[in-house]
Amino acid sequence: SQTIHQWPATLVQPVGSPLSLECTVEGTSNPNLYWYRQAAGRGLQLLFYSVGIGQISSEVPQNLSASRPQDRQFILSSKKLLLSDSGFYLCAWTTAPGAYGYTFGSGTRLTVV
Amino acid sequence: QQQVKQSPQSLIVQKGGISIINCAYENTAFDYFPWYQQFPGKGPALLIAIRPDVSEKKEGRFTISFNKSAKQFSLHIMDSQPGDSATYFCAASLYPTGANNLFFGTGTRLTVIP
Repeated sequence: SQTIHQWPATLVQPVGSPLSLECTVEGTSNPNLYWYRQAAGRGLQLLFYSVGIGQISSEVPQNLSASRPQDRQFILSSKKLLLSDSGFYLCAWTTAPGAYGYTFGSGTRLTVV
Repeated sequence: QQQVKQSPQSLIVQKGGISIINCAYENTAFDYFPWYQQFPGKGPALLIAIRPDVSEKKEGRFTISFNKSAKQFSLHIMDSQPGDSATYFCAASLYPTGANNLFFGTGTRLTVIP
């Protein structure tokens, strides 16, 4: 069966520090991968998506970047965190969005202090 | 531009009542309409989905009503329970091609009062 792993679950980082969030998918090949951010009490903001290794599309220009070094691995990074980067970060995957929608990970709660 | 408009933003319902969340879209090419349920601190999970060739889909206490001519769809939760308290997102997708073709509504926070 397919599963998605996302870690860490919670993270408290000081302003100006780097960030690395990791997401891996098991049980499928060549998935489409997505990073979303959700501010407190708000909707889902698509940050990045990837259709293959090394292929990254950015939806919102910002302080973050994404990489896909392996087929089932998706990494969200920042060189210097801002207070506004705080939020709930969600990784998601699908093989066919219109057929099955997305499967989300359990999320990472990031607090920048 | 918000591709899918969702209302209300928040909803309070008594236990046993009916919860209704509405969504509207403009793009007639949308061909798949899922609903997601998100509990606090968790990722959204697919709850129920419908395609436009049917007007209604029911799974247990959850029903999607779909009005293709009005470009609207809604989620009905019958006999609402405190355990249904969560944020609900509607979405619409262009099936089957494209990697970035699932568009979410802004979410509805449902609170079911015991």
